[in-house]
Amino acid sequence: DAGVTQSPTHLIKTRGQHVTLRCSPISGHKSVSWYQQVLGQGPQFIFQYYEKEERGRGNFPDRFSARQFPNYSSELNVNALLLGDSALYLCASRRTGGTNTGELFFGEGSRLTVL
Amino acid sequence: RKEVEQDPGPFNVPEGATVAFNCTYSNSASQSFFWYRQDCRKEPKLLMSVYSSGNEDGRFTAQLNRASQYISLLIRDSKLSDSATYLCVVVDYKLSFGAGTTVTVRA
Repeated sequence: DAGVTQSPTHLIKTRGQHVTLRCSPISGHKSVSWYQQVLGQGPQFIFQYYEKEERGRGNFPDRFSARQFPNYSSELNVNALLLGDSALYLCASRRTGGTNTGELFFGEGSRLTVL
Repeated sequence: RKEVEQDPGPFNVPEGATVAFNCTYSNSASQSFFWYRQDCRKEPKLLMSVYSSGNEDGRFTAQLNRASQYISLLIRDSKLSDSATYLCVVVDYKLSFGAGTTVTVRA
């Protein structure tokens, strides 16, 4: 079975541009979360979606937005890119929307560089 | 104060050694705790859950101290393949990751 897939794997943008990152969860998983991981830090929670509804939002500016589609895939959009947005963006899926199991299945990430 | 704090290390140990490190958390209402492993430039993967009574998984032992608000991970008989960054995860309404503790096992 395919794991969590993300695209693109690497991309370079310039300040002020916008970016769309895509994620396909494991088949049967209805919850998708997005994390930002800056070099040397742990993943920081951005959003969680479950059944196409936003279930949680981290401490990120409104430039960050996301959505989940009927097939449970998800997009993360970042507008007006800043240098500090350079990071590895991880998508994670799990079967349900609850957090008690704690097991997230991560994709390999999209590595964004903002110049 | 950060929600989750870890000693970044690095812990540089010889094969066969025992290494242990802690993770502290700030929210006393946190419900669940986990250790994830992240290899260089790879995605994090669940290593083990942390139960209130402590638990083992092979050479790995995890413990929780709710009174002092920390969890720990101990690795016995270290292998070269244990070299990685170990991320502490604390759950309230969301999963919060620590910055990670880097362990390097040398031959």
